[in-house]
Amino acid sequence: TQLLEQSPQFLSIQEGENLTVYCNSSSVFSSLQWYRQEPGEGPVLLVTVVTGGEVKKLKRLTFQFGDARKDSSLHITAAQPGDTGLYLCAGRGSSNTGKLIFGQGTTLQVKP
Amino acid sequence: KAGVTQTPRYLIKTRGQQVTLSCSPISGHRSVSWYQQTPGQGLQFLFEYFSETQRNKGNFPGRFSGRQFSNSRSEMNVSTLELGDSALYLCASSFAAGDTEAFFGQGTRLTVV
Repeated sequence: TQLLEQSPQFLSIQEGENLTVYCNSSSVFSSLQWYRQEPGEGPVLLVTVVTGGEVKKLKRLTFQFGDARKDSSLHITAAQPGDTGLYLCAGRGSSNTGKLIFGQGTTLQVKP
Repeated sequence: KAGVTQTPRYLIKTRGQQVTLSCSPISGHRSVSWYQQTPGQGLQFLFEYFSETQRNKGNFPGRFSGRQFSNSRSEMNVSTLELGDSALYLCASSFAAGDTEAFFGQGTRLTVV
Protein backbone atom coordinates (compact mmCIF):
# COMPACT_ATOMS: atom_id res chain seq x y z
CA THR A 1 0.00 0.00 0.00
CA GLN A 2 1.39 3.36 -0.99
CA LEU A 3 1.40 5.99 1.75
CA LEU A 4 2.42 9.63 1.90
CA GLU A 5 3.60 11.01 5.22
CA GLN A 6 3.23 14.75 5.42
CA SER A 7 4.89 16.91 8.08
CA PRO A 8 4.38 18.94 10.08
CA GLN A 9 0.65 18.52 10.62
CA PHE A 10 0.23 22.00 12.08
CA LEU A 11 2.26 25.15 11.67
CA SER A 12 1.60 28.55 13.20
CA ILE A 13 4.04 31.29 12.22
CA GLN A 14 4.33 35.06 12.04
CA GLU A 15 4.01 36.99 8.82
CA GLY A 16 7.37 37.23 7.08
CA GLU A 17 8.76 33.92 8.29
CA ASN A 18 9.84 31.08 6.00
CA LEU A 19 8.58 27.53 6.24
CA THR A 20 8.96 24.11 4.64
CA VAL A 21 6.41 21.30 4.40
CA TYR A 22 7.59 17.77 3.70
CA CYS A 23 5.92 14.88 1.96
CA ASN A 24 7.67 11.50 2.22
CA SER A 25 7.05 7.95 1.09
CA SER A 26 8.85 4.65 0.68
CA SER A 27 7.11 4.27 -2.69
CA VAL A 28 7.88 5.79 -6.06
CA PHE A 29 5.29 8.09 -7.61
CA SER A 30 4.92 8.91 -11.29
CA SER A 31 3.90 12.44 -10.37
CA LEU A 32 3.13 14.48 -7.31
CA GLN A 33 0.72 17.36 -6.92
CA TRP A 34 0.38 20.02 -4.26
CA TYR A 35 -2.98 21.50 -3.37
CA ARG A 36 -4.23 24.23 -1.06
CA GLN A 37 -7.65 23.95 0.52
CA GLU A 38 -9.77 26.53 2.31
CA PRO A 39 -12.36 25.40 4.91
CA GLY A 40 -15.50 24.02 3.26
CA GLU A 41 -14.03 24.26 -0.24
CA GLY A 42 -12.36 21.83 -2.61
CA PRO A 43 -8.57 21.59 -2.98
CA VAL A 44 -7.04 23.99 -5.50
CA LEU A 45 -4.13 22.68 -7.56
CA LEU A 46 -0.90 24.62 -7.02
CA VAL A 47 1.63 22.60 -8.98
CA THR A 48 2.42 19.21 -10.51
CA VAL A 49 5.94 17.78 -10.49
CA VAL A 50 6.80 14.84 -12.69
CA THR A 51 10.57 14.54 -13.10
CA GLY A 52 12.91 13.43 -10.30
CA GLY A 53 14.87 16.42 -9.01
CA GLU A 54 12.43 18.88 -10.56
CA VAL A 55 12.07 22.29 -8.93
CA LYS A 56 9.14 24.59 -9.68
CA LYS A 57 8.52 28.08 -8.40
CA LEU A 58 5.20 29.84 -8.02
CA LYS A 59 5.86 33.36 -6.73
CA ARG A 60 6.99 32.83 -3.11
CA LEU A 61 6.35 29.06 -3.22
CA THR A 62 9.08 26.61 -4.26
CA PHE A 63 8.25 22.96 -4.90
CA GLN A 64 10.79 20.17 -5.22
CA PHE A 65 10.41 16.53 -6.26
CA GLY A 66 13.02 14.17 -4.86
CA ASP A 67 15.54 12.57 -7.20
CA ALA A 68 14.03 9.12 -6.55
CA ARG A 69 10.47 10.47 -6.88
CA LYS A 70 9.62 9.28 -3.37
CA ASP A 71 9.45 12.63 -1.62
CA SER A 72 8.64 16.28 -2.16
CA SER A 73 8.82 19.57 -0.33
CA LEU A 74 7.03 22.90 -0.40
CA HIS A 75 8.94 25.97 0.77
CA ILE A 76 7.20 29.29 1.35
CA THR A 77 9.32 32.41 1.61
CA ALA A 78 8.12 35.42 3.61
CA ALA A 79 4.73 33.91 4.45
CA GLN A 80 1.68 36.16 4.38
CA PRO A 81 -1.72 35.82 6.11
CA GLY A 82 -3.22 34.98 2.72
CA ASP A 83 -1.12 31.79 2.69
CA THR A 84 -3.19 30.42 5.58
CA GLY A 85 -4.88 27.13 4.68
CA LEU A 86 -4.54 23.38 4.43
CA TYR A 87 -1.71 22.21 2.18
CA LEU A 88 -2.01 18.74 0.70
CA CYS A 89 0.43 16.64 -1.26
CA ALA A 90 -0.96 13.92 -3.51
CA GLY A 91 0.92 11.27 -5.43
CA ARG A 92 -0.06 9.26 -8.46
CA GLY A 93 1.21 5.69 -8.28
CA SER A 94 1.46 5.20 -11.99
CA SER A 95 0.83 7.24 -15.10
CA ASN A 96 -2.18 5.15 -16.14
CA THR A 97 -4.27 5.61 -13.01
CA GLY A 98 -6.34 8.57 -11.95
CA LYS A 99 -6.11 7.54 -8.30
CA LEU A 100 -4.36 10.08 -6.10
CA ILE A 101 -2.89 9.13 -2.73
CA PHE A 102 -3.05 12.05 -0.35
CA GLY A 103 -0.91 13.02 2.61
CA GLN A 104 -2.74 13.95 5.81
CA GLY A 105 -2.20 17.63 5.14
CA THR A 106 -0.47 20.53 6.83
CA THR A 107 -2.61 23.23 8.42
CA LEU A 108 -0.76 26.53 8.12
CA GLN A 109 -1.71 29.63 10.07
CA VAL A 110 0.14 32.85 9.30
CA LYS A 111 -0.45 35.56 11.88
CA PRO A 112 -0.25 39.23 10.91
CA LYS B 1 -14.22 28.04 -18.81
CA ALA B 2 -16.40 26.65 -16.04
CA GLY B 3 -14.80 24.57 -13.35
CA VAL B 4 -15.98 21.35 -11.76
CA THR B 5 -19.54 21.64 -10.50
CA GLN B 6 -20.85 19.51 -7.67
CA THR B 7 -24.44 19.46 -6.51
CA PRO B 8 -25.84 19.79 -4.00
CA ARG B 9 -23.36 21.69 -1.79
CA TYR B 10 -24.95 20.53 1.44
CA LEU B 11 -27.10 17.57 2.40
CA ILE B 12 -28.56 16.32 5.65
CA LYS B 13 -29.82 12.75 5.65
CA THR B 14 -31.03 10.26 8.23
CA ARG B 15 -29.34 6.95 8.97
CA GLY B 16 -30.60 4.23 6.65
CA GLN B 17 -31.49 6.58 3.82
CA GLN B 18 -29.69 6.72 0.52
CA VAL B 19 -28.17 9.72 -1.26
CA THR B 20 -27.05 10.62 -4.77
CA LEU B 21 -24.38 13.22 -5.43
CA SER B 22 -23.68 14.75 -8.82
CA CYS B 23 -20.51 16.01 -10.52
CA SER B 24 -20.13 17.84 -13.83
CA PRO B 25 -16.49 17.88 -14.95
CA ILE B 26 -14.69 20.66 -16.76
CA SER B 27 -15.85 20.86 -20.36
CA GLY B 28 -13.78 18.46 -22.47
CA HIS B 29 -12.61 16.41 -19.50
CA ARG B 30 -13.58 12.76 -19.67
CA SER B 31 -12.18 11.39 -16.41
CA VAL B 32 -13.90 11.80 -13.06
CA SER B 33 -12.69 10.59 -9.68
CA TRP B 34 -14.43 10.73 -6.32
CA TYR B 35 -12.88 11.20 -2.88
CA GLN B 36 -14.16 11.22 0.68
CA GLN B 37 -12.63 13.71 3.10
CA THR B 38 -12.99 13.37 6.87
CA PRO B 39 -11.00 14.96 9.71
CA GLY B 40 -9.73 11.59 10.88
CA GLN B 41 -8.88 9.88 7.58
CA GLY B 42 -8.13 12.82 5.29
CA LEU B 43 -8.83 12.38 1.58
CA GLN B 44 -9.51 8.82 0.51
CA PHE B 45 -10.06 7.60 -3.04
CA LEU B 46 -13.50 6.17 -3.80
CA PHE B 47 -13.51 5.46 -7.54
CA GLU B 48 -12.44 6.65 -10.97
CA TYR B 49 -14.48 6.73 -14.17
CA PHE B 50 -13.40 7.24 -17.75
CA SER B 51 -15.67 6.95 -20.79
CA GLU B 52 -18.49 5.54 -18.66
CA THR B 53 -16.28 2.75 -17.29
CA GLN B 54 -15.06 2.37 -13.74
CA ARG B 55 -11.28 2.08 -13.94
CA ASN B 56 -10.35 1.98 -10.27
CA LYS B 57 -12.13 1.47 -6.99
CA GLY B 58 -10.97 2.33 -3.50
CA ASN B 59 -11.39 0.32 -0.35
CA PHE B 60 -14.98 1.24 0.48
CA PRO B 61 -17.99 -1.02 1.11
CA GLY B 62 -20.40 -1.90 -1.65
CA ARG B 63 -22.86 0.69 -0.31
CA PHE B 64 -20.79 3.21 -2.23
CA SER B 65 -21.36 3.11 -5.97
CA GLY B 66 -21.05 5.40 -8.92
CA ARG B 67 -21.57 5.81 -12.60
CA GLN B 68 -20.61 8.06 -15.46
CA PHE B 69 -22.83 9.20 -18.30
CA SER B 70 -22.00 9.71 -21.97
CA ASN B 71 -21.60 13.46 -21.40
CA SER B 72 -18.93 12.67 -18.73
CA ARG B 73 -21.14 13.79 -15.86
CA SER B 74 -20.89 11.45 -12.91
CA GLU B 75 -22.99 10.48 -9.95
CA MET B 76 -22.16 8.63 -6.79
CA ASN B 77 -24.66 6.89 -4.60
CA VAL B 78 -24.44 5.85 -0.98
CA SER B 79 -27.12 3.48 0.27
CA THR B 80 -28.10 2.61 3.84
CA LEU B 81 -26.34 5.66 5.23
CA GLU B 82 -24.36 5.38 8.45
CA LEU B 83 -23.25 8.15 10.79
CA GLY B 84 -19.66 7.53 9.71
CA ASP B 85 -20.53 8.47 6.13
CA SER B 86 -20.70 12.11 7.20
CA ALA B 87 -17.95 13.77 5.18
CA LEU B 88 -17.04 16.17 2.42
CA TYR B 89 -17.34 14.31 -0.88
CA LEU B 90 -15.09 15.69 -3.58
CA CYS B 91 -15.11 15.14 -7.30
CA ALA B 92 -11.98 15.59 -9.41
CA SER B 93 -11.92 16.15 -13.16
CA SER B 94 -9.06 15.25 -15.52
CA PHE B 95 -8.70 15.52 -19.28
CA ALA B 96 -7.93 11.83 -19.74
CA ALA B 97 -7.56 8.65 -17.73
CA GLY B 98 -4.33 8.68 -15.80
CA ASP B 99 -3.74 12.33 -16.69
CA THR B 100 -1.36 14.06 -14.32
CA GLU B 101 -3.51 17.02 -13.30
CA ALA B 102 -6.76 16.71 -11.39
CA PHE B 103 -9.03 19.66 -10.66
CA PHE B 104 -11.48 19.49 -7.79
CA GLY B 105 -14.99 20.78 -7.31
CA GLN B 106 -16.15 22.55 -4.16
CA GLY B 107 -17.52 19.33 -2.73
CA THR B 108 -20.76 18.16 -1.22
CA ARG B 109 -20.96 18.29 2.56
CA LEU B 110 -23.03 15.27 3.68
CA THR B 111 -24.24 15.09 7.25
CA VAL B 112 -25.91 11.90 8.44
CA VAL B 113 -28.02 12.23 11.59
